[in-house]
Amino acid sequence: SAVISQKPSRDICQRGTSLTIQCQVDSQVTMMFWYRQQPGQSLTLIATANQGSEATYESGFVIDKFPISRPNLTFSTLTVSNMSPEDSSIYLCSVEILSNTGELFFGEGSRLTVL
Amino acid sequence: GDSVTQMEGPVTLSEEAFLTINCTYTATGYPSLFWYVQYPGEGLQLLLKATKADDKGSNKGFEATYRKETTSFHLEKGSVQVSDSAVYFCALSDRFYTGANSKLTFGKGITLSVRP
Repeated sequence: SAVISQKPSRDICQRGTSLTIQCQVDSQVTMMFWYRQQPGQSLTLIATANQGSEATYESGFVIDKFPISRPNLTFSTLTVSNMSPEDSSIYLCSVEILSNTGELFFGEGSRLTVL
Repeated sequence: GDSVTQMEGPVTLSEEAFLTINCTYTATGYPSLFWYVQYPGEGLQLLLKATKADDKGSNKGFEATYRKETTSFHLEKGSVQVSDSAVYFCALSDRFYTGANSKLTFGKGITLSVRP
């Protein structure tokens, strides 16, 4: 398994500002992902964080809005830019460790409220 | 594309009742299947998994069997407890048959409340 630490755990933000969420894993992982969970909804994949290169974004998500970095195997950041109330969500970092089943481990999430 | 369909919720049961949460999937190959649980105020945790047809995943008294013929992965527990109150997500991973990076596709989730 893996222990995943996300910061901040929650924040209240003003419209138009940007916030960066950090994800630190206690062991080397093969893959890192960022998910969004909107209120009362399921999880939606935002992007795959690639080490040392640009993230791979899912349909509907763009780099200008959600820039992602992954400078090494155990750390990644997600920035939510120019926030609006529609960005109020829980943002989750998830990782895949070396396995053959495809299961992911999740951080506790960062709950953002945009006023 | 891949998709996961869960039964509509929420579900409210009395303690010691039998639980079934339905999950069906659509996929072009042979995905791995998972149940994740999210307890109040906590992050998502893997509850159980199955990686091939007829596999049965089990954990904490919960079970689910990978049924390829009905493309289902229903979650069951014989006697629920108040501590089982949580949101349950069914998910699939397409890793092996796409050759691409692991991606989890989630169902909408269902909230289970267990009354004492």
